[in-house]
This record gives sequence, structure tokens and C-alpha cells, in this order.
Amino acid sequence: GAGVSQSPRYKVAKRGQDVALRCDPISGHVSLFWYQQALGQGPEFLTYFQNEAQLDKSGLPSDRFFAERPEGSVSTLKIQRTQQEDSAVYLCASSLRQSREKLFFGSGTQLSVL
Amino acid sequence: KQEVTQIPAALSVPEGENLVLNCSFTDSAIYNLQWFRQDPGKGLTSLLLIQSSQREQTSGRLNASLDKSSGRSTLYIAASQPGDSATYLCAVLSVSGGGADGLTFGKGTHLIIQP
Repeated sequence: GAGVSQSPRYKVAKRGQDVALRCDPISGHVSLFWYQQALGQGPEFLTYFQNEAQLDKSGLPSDRFFAERPEGSVSTLKIQRTQQEDSAVYLCASSLRQSREKLFFGSGTQLSVL
Repeated sequence: KQEVTQIPAALSVPEGENLVLNCSFTDSAIYNLQWFRQDPGKGLTSLLLIQSSQREQTSGRLNASLDKSSGRSTLYIAASQPGDSATYLCAVLSVSGGGADGLTFGKGTHLIIQP
């Protein structure tokens, strides 16, 4: 596709449920990032992949958060046992080669945990 | 830990005015600084990327400057239009520290251009 695609656009989960958020980066982009944006705040870095390798996961807030990119293209962010504080917009971004280049963001998945 | 501050938090101006948005960061050891635009319910669109060795970048009516030593950047918007209304976010890519591959964002400036 022409841009970064994320699905679902909206997700409502009951507290304690597991959720999976999907990101399709721009075709051929090597680097992929996940960010979390709370209401009224700037995005916060979660994790970074270069191809299938997860090179940086220092921003993941707890071990309930897990991300993968097994074939170096599509990525999934999984949140286990969701809590209300996980409610946020989850943004995916990609860049052509490395992390120091221009980023292209998807429209995000808005997660609401009730 | 890198911290990014944007001033003002919100700004409302009449159409046609030139305006300046400010961004400051605490750690000058950066690879680059980017300015993004975010429309309601949408993702971020990259406007300008300034490498640490550069002083400014221009794109159309937008001009961004970088003073790395003082930890400051400005985004200048000329001849503002109602379509410029959005939240503008500043972000830096730091050299050191945790999350070195991730951008540190400010909270943004919410800009409204009155027709």
C-alpha cells in the first residue's frame, strides 16, 4: 500500500482481556516502530525493529506488552491482561532503512479498556 | 533523560499571520530533530527533519531552525491558512540513553487559524 496501515482502527476491551494490534508498514521499509500516545500527550516510544530483529524494546511499559515482526514486514503488538491505564492510541511508524530517517506514521489504533 | 518542551501549548491566530512555534530539549546530544503535524484522529505527518549538523530546513511556507548547543528549535509558518490548523509536535532522536532508537516527543502546540 501507499502508506502505513494499522488495524483495527478502534478496539474496546474489557479489563483483563488480551488484545493484538496489527501494523502493515510501507512495502520495503526496513525499520518499524511502535509508539503509545495518551490523550493530550506526545507519543512515547515503545519498541523498534530492523527487519525481523527487535533491536530496542526499552519503552515497553511491562512484560504484558509484547511485539513481534516474524518475517520482517507485518508487525503485531500484543497486550496481555489489559488494564485501564493501557487505554491510548497505539501508533506504528516505518522508515526506509534506519531509525535516523524520516518516519511515516499510520493512523493508529485507539484502544479503550473498560 | 531527554525532555522536550513545546511553547505555547495552544495558539489561535487570524488567517494570514506569520507565526512561530517553539521547542526546547534538555540534552543537546541528538542525531536529528523532526517537526510533525497531527490532525484529529489521524497519525503524524513528518513536516521537516533537521540533522544535528544542519541549522535549518525549509519546505514551502514552513521553515524550521535548530540551535543544538542551546537546545532550541523553532518552526516558522508564513502566511498561515485555516488548513494549517492542527497539533504540531517536535521530536528529537537522542544519541545516548535508553530508547536510543526512539524519538522523544513534546506534548505539542495546538494551532487554530481563524478564517
